[in-house]
Amino acid sequence: QVRLVQSEAEVKKPGSSVKVSCKASGIIFSTVAISWVRQAPGQGLEWVGGVIPAFGTGNSAEKFKGRVVMTADLSTTTAYMELTSLTSEDTATYYCVRDYRRGFDPWGQGTLVIVSP
Amino acid sequence: QSALTQPASVSGSPGQSVTISCTGTDSDIGSYNFVSWYQQHPGKIPNLIISEVTKRPSGVSDRFSGAKSGNTASLTISGLQTEDEAHYYCSSYTDKNSLVFGGGTSVTVL
Repeated sequence: QVRLVQSEAEVKKPGSSVKVSCKASGIIFSTVAISWVRQAPGQGLEWVGGVIPAFGTGNSAEKFKGRVVMTADLSTTTAYMELTSLTSEDTATYYCVRDYRRGFDPWGQGTLVIVSP
Repeated sequence: QSALTQPASVSGSPGQSVTISCTGTDSDIGSYNFVSWYQQHPGKIPNLIISEVTKRPSGVSDRFSGAKSGNTASLTISGLQTEDEAHYYCSSYTDKNSLVFGGGTSVTVL
């Protein structure tokens, strides 16, 4: 079955960057789209952006433009999300998801990113 | 892109039906049939329960159903059960090639 396994939790300083990985298995990686969704503690879901690994192209939510880079490595079937200029408001659990006709399934286990001085 | 509008909470007794609304605009729900719904129990990962407005993934109970009219989508839970107590989120594709979520609705089984 399709499985997405993400990297471990990170603690970062304000102003720094974080790069989260998402290893996919059970799917033909070149045919999928991967999105990233975050959830701040006690808050709702927020779409960060998505990438089509086969093309290396994607899009991000307006509020993240210029601050997020989403990439994918077909050889290792791994997607990456790098978020720069971190602030405390970026403290959240970041999920990678398979985007199938704009329905997200399955979800990775989530990567907690804590931004703290 | 503003978040879709959902009620903060809805409640119902076991066996009853509850409906959660999700209101967007002509730029998202009103223009695309890419509306999804997710169920999230406390401390758990969200789970897709409805995609493309009305489609239920394999394994999802048929007590969950989706619909759309104009700029508003809805999720109905029929025959409410205690296990349905969770947060529910809607999402929609938008005309900016992006995706937007609703703020989430807490469902309480009385």
